[in-house]
Amino acid sequence: GAVVSQHPSWVICKSGTSVKIECRSLDFQATTMFWYRQFPKQSLMLMATSNEGSKATYEQGVEKDKFLINHASLTLSTLTVTSAHPEDSSFYICSARNRGQTSYEQYFGPGTRLTVT
Amino acid sequence: AQTVTQSQPEMSVQEAETVTLSCTYDTSENNYYLFWYKQPPSRQMILVIRQEAYKQQNATENRFSVNFQKAAKSFSLKISDSQLGDTAMYFCAFMKYGAGKSTFGDGTTLTVKP
Repeated sequence: GAVVSQHPSWVICKSGTSVKIECRSLDFQATTMFWYRQFPKQSLMLMATSNEGSKATYEQGVEKDKFLINHASLTLSTLTVTSAHPEDSSFYICSARNRGQTSYEQYFGPGTRLTVT
Repeated sequence: AQTVTQSQPEMSVQEAETVTLSCTYDTSENNYYLFWYKQPPSRQMILVIRQEAYKQQNATENRFSVNFQKAAKSFSLKISDSQLGDTAMYFCAFMKYGAGKSTFGDGTTLTVKP
């Protein structure tokens, strides 16, 4: 149980286009999902907290107009990178909290590799 | 704000040997959790072990154990009988009680040599 999926696993897009990444909790309801960004061999940096039915909370320094987050249901959050540029190339990881579990439980998706050419 | 520091960017160990990864953190919170995560080449984050700050007893999970020193804000991971499959990047992480989101250290790349 407690599986989180991400789609796509790898995406290549041209500079200036937008790309959407999906994060789904497959067997539980996630009231809160988190989006992280990871550069090669570096740490995970929290970008934003996505709450079902409300606006996302962005970390300091993250452009909310560039990284659009939508959490329309208890099992799906999406991250849209708008007008992507090569510097947006990175590994994006989501995690989800199970509303029925204890406060420390956090389940990670397998990540999405974004390459902007 | 919390910070997590892993001072060892890379480490290596011989198969079957024991290795300890270091982690220190800084926080003004009293109730929190600490984690060690493993990230293999697949890049899927895997929870290795968890420690609740209010518990004095060090957590253990099979070959993995921690040395939690709350006053010193230290949280090291000991891997016993290292196996080739332990080769991965290891992250120490802090979570404030009830917050759900984690602050991660910079990671330690561990290589287990045959």
